[in-house]
Formats: sequence, C-alpha cells, structure tokens
Amino acid sequence: GDSVTQTEGPVTVSESESLIINCTYSATSIAYPNLFWYVRYPGEGLQLLLKVITAGQKGSSRGFEATYNKETTSFHLQKASVQESDSAVYYCALGRGNYKYVFGAGTRLKVIA
Amino acid sequence: NAGVIQTPRHKVTGKGQEATLWCEPISGHSAVFWYRQTIVQGLEFLTYFRNQAPIDDSGMPKERFSAQMPNQSHSTLKIQSTQPQDSAVYLCASSPSAETLYFGSGTRLTVL
Repeated sequence: GDSVTQTEGPVTVSESESLIINCTYSATSIAYPNLFWYVRYPGEGLQLLLKVITAGQKGSSRGFEATYNKETTSFHLQKASVQESDSAVYYCALGRGNYKYVFGAGTRLKVIA
Repeated sequence: NAGVIQTPRHKVTGKGQEATLWCEPISGHSAVFWYRQTIVQGLEFLTYFRNQAPIDDSGMPKERFSAQMPNQSHSTLKIQSTQPQDSAVYLCASSPSAETLYFGSGTRLTVL
C-alpha cells in the first residue's frame, strides 16, 4: 500500500537557523500522487501549509518550501530561517487524486530562542 | 468563515457507553471526511461523504462505528459500546473538491 515516512521528532532548532524535515513516499496505487504538507500549531486544527500536484514543481508558503522529486520520491520541507512561531507539528501527506489521503506520522518542531 | 466545527472538544465515556461526535463542515463544501488520530497509528481514514452520500467507509471498524450525514450542514460519528482502544482524537475535515482538506480542531475521546 501507499505510505509516507518523515523525520521522526521532536526536532529542536534555534531561532534563525535553517530547517529541513525529510519526507519520502511510496505510492503503489498511483504514479504521481499529489503531495502536501499540513501543520498543526498549538491549540489549532490541522491546516494546509503547501501542496504540489506536479512532479518537479516547488511549493512555498510562509517561508517554507518543498520540491516534488519523483526520482527520489521525496518531498522535503525546508526553511532558511525559522522563528519561534514555527513551533508546531508538521505532517507530510499524499493524495491519490481521489479522496484517500495517506499521512506521515508527523514531526514535532520546537524552535528555541 | 468559521471553519470546520467539531463538538464536543473533549468527551469522556465509560467502557460500554455510546459516544456521538458532531461535525459542521464549511458551508459549500461537498466532501466530508472523518479521520482518527492516535499516537500509535497516526492519522487513519475512517469514512467519506460526498454531497451527503456515503462513498467509502472502509476505514470504519464495522461493528460499533457508524457515520451519517443527514444534511449538508452536519455529520455525526457514533461509536456504540465504546472500548478503551477507541480513545483517540477524531478529526472531521471538509473540502470543496476532495483535494485540499480543511480540518476541524478535533474531538478528544477518552474511554475509561
């Protein structure tokens, strides 16, 4: 079946440092799934951070970016300079063009001042 | 736009009791999803409605779980004879197209 594997947390980063959260996927039911990063800030619900539906393209939002790499089946999340407000749980997910999404386990990020 | 509203935020039940969870999707969204989140299993798909019709309930434990969407403004997830292993955060999401999901804050169910 389809699966998503991401960096196991918690991840602690100092403010203004760079961040990468790894995400790799295995999609057996569809050649080119849609890829997403969702985020849950403390006290809030899951919300979409960014999505990319075309292989080779890059998505970006709030200073984060991720590139859909079909050769390495990866969709790593990166940010050049994190802030305390980025502390949250990040989920990588794939969508199969219908409605069944597969989520990674989530990566808890803590940004310290 | 208030987003997806889930009630209650927390629910505690005794083993064997019934629990009903409520979801109000975003107005105009035709797709409604229920997911369950636990530390061990992560986010698991439970069921999906489109235009109020049940499309896929393959993720639902068959015997005690049921979901309904009697009108376009709300959906319910009912768990009969709750067991401790049902303890989880239950998430409802809606979408205009089943592509991007808009989640509610979830209902944390604790079965004692």
